[in-house]
Amino acid sequence: DTGVSQNPRHKITKRGQNVTFRCDPISEHNRLYWYRQTLGQGPEFLTYFQNEAQLEKSRLLSDRFSAERPKGSFSTLEIQRTEQGDSAMYLCASSGWQAAAGANVLTFGAGSRLTVL
Amino acid sequence: EDQVTQSPEALRLQEGESSSLNCSYTVSGLRGLFWYRQDPGKGPEFLFTLYSAGEEKEKERLKATLTKKESFLHITAPKPEDSATYLCAVQAKKAAGNKLTFGGGTRVLVKP
Repeated sequence: DTGVSQNPRHKITKRGQNVTFRCDPISEHNRLYWYRQTLGQGPEFLTYFQNEAQLEKSRLLSDRFSAERPKGSFSTLEIQRTEQGDSAMYLCASSGWQAAAGANVLTFGAGSRLTVL
Repeated sequence: EDQVTQSPEALRLQEGESSSLNCSYTVSGLRGLFWYRQDPGKGPEFLFTLYSAGEEKEKERLKATLTKKESFLHITAPKPEDSATYLCAVQAKKAAGNKLTFGGGTRVLVKP
C-alpha cells in the first residue's frame, strides 16, 4: 500500500469554474476526512465519512462544496463556482489502527493545491 | 468548541540549540493529543499521540509531554533536517470518528 493518494496535486482555475479533487485512501481504512489548509495556518476540518456515509460536515463547507464517497472507497470533493477565497491546500486523510502508536492515526495525503485566479 | 493554540508561530535555531514548542488546548474531554510534522508542499506526518497528563513519548531528537492544559514538544540538539512545521491537534471524546482539531503550527528553521 502506498498510502493516501490525491489528484490532481495542483489545480489553477478561473473564478466561477468548477473543480473536483479525488482521494484514494489506504485500502483497509473505512474512515476518510477532508481538511483545508491555507498558507501559514493549520488544517481545518471540512467533512468526514465512515464507509459511504457522510457523518459530519463543518460550517466551513458551504453549499458550493460537495463531497462524496460512493462505494466507500475513493472520495471526491467538488467546489462549484470557485471564488478566490477557495484558494488553499485540500488535504485528505484516512484513519486506522497503528499498533506502534497504540492509536487510531490519521494518515494524510500530499494534498491538492487549488489556486483560483 | 475545541481550541488549540501553538506558540511561537516561528522559531529559528542554530544547529544543536535545544528548544521547546508549546501547544495549549481546551477540549470537552480529551481522547488524545497528537503531534504531526509537515514539510513544505506535503501532508502532515504523524509523530506522537499522548493520552493522559504526565505521559511522555520520544523519537530521536523529539520528546513530547502532556499536562492537563498543554503539551510541549522538546527538540534536543536539532539538526537542519528537523526544519519543518510542527502541528499539534486534539481529539475530543465526542469527536466524530477520529476527527482532529489542529493548531496553527510552529515553523521551525534549524540553521547549520
